[in-house]
Amino acid sequence: KAGVTQTPRYLIKTRGQQVTLSCSPISGHRSVSWYQQTPGQGLQFLFEYFSETQRNKGNFPGRFSGRQFSNSRSEMNVSTLELGDSALYLCASSLGQKNTEAFFGQGTRLTVV
Amino acid sequence: AQTVTQSQPEMSVQEAETVTLSCTYDTSESDYYLFWYKQPPSRQMILVIRQEAYKQQNATENRFSVNFQKAAKSFSLKISDSQLGDAAMYFCACSNAGNNRKLIWGLGTSLGVNP
Repeated sequence: KAGVTQTPRYLIKTRGQQVTLSCSPISGHRSVSWYQQTPGQGLQFLFEYFSETQRNKGNFPGRFSGRQFSNSRSEMNVSTLELGDSALYLCASSLGQKNTEAFFGQGTRLTVV
Repeated sequence: AQTVTQSQPEMSVQEAETVTLSCTYDTSESDYYLFWYKQPPSRQMILVIRQEAYKQQNATENRFSVNFQKAAKSFSLKISDSQLGDAAMYFCACSNAGNNRKLIWGLGTSLGVNP
């Protein structure tokens, strides 16, 4: 069974640009969550999607958005990039029900210059 | 709101010895889960062990066990017979027990294993 796949693995963008990151969950998983990991702030929850609906959201500005498709694949988008958006972005998939384990991808390393 | 605190940024242990990583948390939820995750240099977050707050018995997974003190809001991880492959960042995390999965994380402990 394939694991959680995140693409691309590495990305370099310029301030002001926008970026889209992709996450393909484990087959059969309907929940995808996104996290931002930085040395200073650690891991912070961005949002969770379940069956194409956002059902939980963290405290990030509106520049951060996401969506989920009918095949459960999810994308997150960051517009008007700032230097502080440089981070490792991790996604996790799960069945989405109570008491189910979340499986993580290897992340996308975003560098904003 | 939930918070998770790991007070040891770095630790080291001799191969085959035992090490304990500390974690304290705060939550207003009555039903919640606690987790320890391992993040090796490959960056992929791997679940080490999970504890359901309503269970009094401490969780155990092979060489990994926890000491869950609910009243003290403490959740430490003990690694026995440490191996070189245990070297990694270890994160303590907490989530509510509902369907909405939102993990709140500590800042991590970097564990080194000396041969």
